[in-house]
Amino acid sequence: ETGVTQTPRHLVMGMTNKKSLKCEQHLGHNAMYWYKQSAKKPLELMFVYNFKEQTENNSVPSRFSPECPNSSHLFLHLHTLQPEDSALYLCASSQDSLSLYGYTFGSGTRLTVV
Amino acid sequence: ELKVEQNPLFLSMQEGKNYTIYCNYSTTSDRLYWYRQDPGKSLESLFVLLSNGAVKQEGRLMASLDTKARLSTLHITAAVHDLSATYFCAGLIQGAQKLVFGQGTRLTINP
Repeated sequence: ETGVTQTPRHLVMGMTNKKSLKCEQHLGHNAMYWYKQSAKKPLELMFVYNFKEQTENNSVPSRFSPECPNSSHLFLHLHTLQPEDSALYLCASSQDSLSLYGYTFGSGTRLTVV
Repeated sequence: ELKVEQNPLFLSMQEGKNYTIYCNYSTTSDRLYWYRQDPGKSLESLFVLLSNGAVKQEGRLMASLDTKARLSTLHITAAVHDLSATYFCAGLIQGAQKLVFGQGTRLTINP
């Protein structure tokens, strides 16, 4: 385990479903991130939360809705997704001033939209 | 806007050989990071390069940073099969708290 735990590891959902991805860290970090990793694109930053406040929304469609109830937990709520949203979704955390070690990543959730 | 480009994107090499992965970035970046990703796994931090001329080494991997050329390199010495993975470099946007990643280099080392 890397210190950042993501659940579920795999998720298959229909386009009309609603599901949530969960990320949890107990590293004492104050910033958390969602990244999307698809086969043909570089890692894409989706959202940044710093001390529970959203500080970045990288033009992400509204069918992705993040939630950060505290500095240790981050959710990504999904609804009415499209097949092109199938990807590996990675959560990461860091110290607020970006520690010498950069981000600590979770193992990811492999999402398939059918 | 910071852009990070790696080359090559795919690299197949024989065990025992040396090779270098290049990472170019478009604007000033405070720090440069290298990560490794095994298939189906998360990203593992390898190196953080903080200043011009920085060189870090771990085993058969050595990373360096030239801020004037906006170039970082990851050099592999006497490659072994266990080093097969995808390697990413990432730059830090100045004044912001976010990393911009390169496309990744998929390295395959054949026995």
